[in-house]
Amino acid sequence: NAGVTQTPKFQVLKTGQSMTLQCAQDMNHNSMYWYRQDPGMGLRLIYYSASEGTTDKGEVPNGYNVSRLNKREFSLRLESAAPSQTSVYFCASSEGAGPYGYTFGSGTRLTVV
Amino acid sequence: QKEVEQNSGPLSVPEGAIASLNCTYSDRGSQSFFWYRQYSGKSPELIMSIYSNGDKEDGRFTAQLNKASQYVSLLIRDSQPSDSATYLCAGNTGTASKLTFGTGTRLQVTL
Repeated sequence: NAGVTQTPKFQVLKTGQSMTLQCAQDMNHNSMYWYRQDPGMGLRLIYYSASEGTTDKGEVPNGYNVSRLNKREFSLRLESAAPSQTSVYFCASSEGAGPYGYTFGSGTRLTVV
Repeated sequence: QKEVEQNSGPLSVPEGAIASLNCTYSDRGSQSFFWYRQYSGKSPELIMSIYSNGDKEDGRFTAQLNKASQYVSLLIRDSQPSDSATYLCAGNTGTASKLTFGTGTRLQVTL
């Protein structure tokens, strides 16, 4: 099915470990996003890529890095995981600037112990 | 203060009734608004978008936008138990390609 694919779906890390969350879309969308969702906080933007070759910080970028590998793929890296990064992470894509909504991936549930 | 505000609920309505969900926003430059439905443990799913003042209808759903008062609403007619979910309001505040989300309103449709 067309859409946004995220891997892995679940992950447990120890404090200080690193990992990369992968995201790929097959809708030829220009823009891609990484959000985290925490109870009572809603969806908060970590990083986004308005178009291939560009990335920008969102609301909560500290502790994360991103790579827009090509038009399809946008990865999120945690270099040294902390318990505060325990969350559900969603990747999303859209056609870009304008009246376009997002298509979300199925999410990654990350626990840092 | 968040740029997009929603009452967290829960909003409880009986089956067959109209559910009314509301959202306010602070950035007058916002142009497009979206309603997402999120079932527990699942990802958000786009159900409605609205860009112009007034009403937009799609099946049992009606989105309403009032830019002068800076509010957006979603009406769900003939509510069904399957409509029980959290509804997220989002607007393209700031950079046009980014969306800012409210914290969501949990809707419970009771039998």
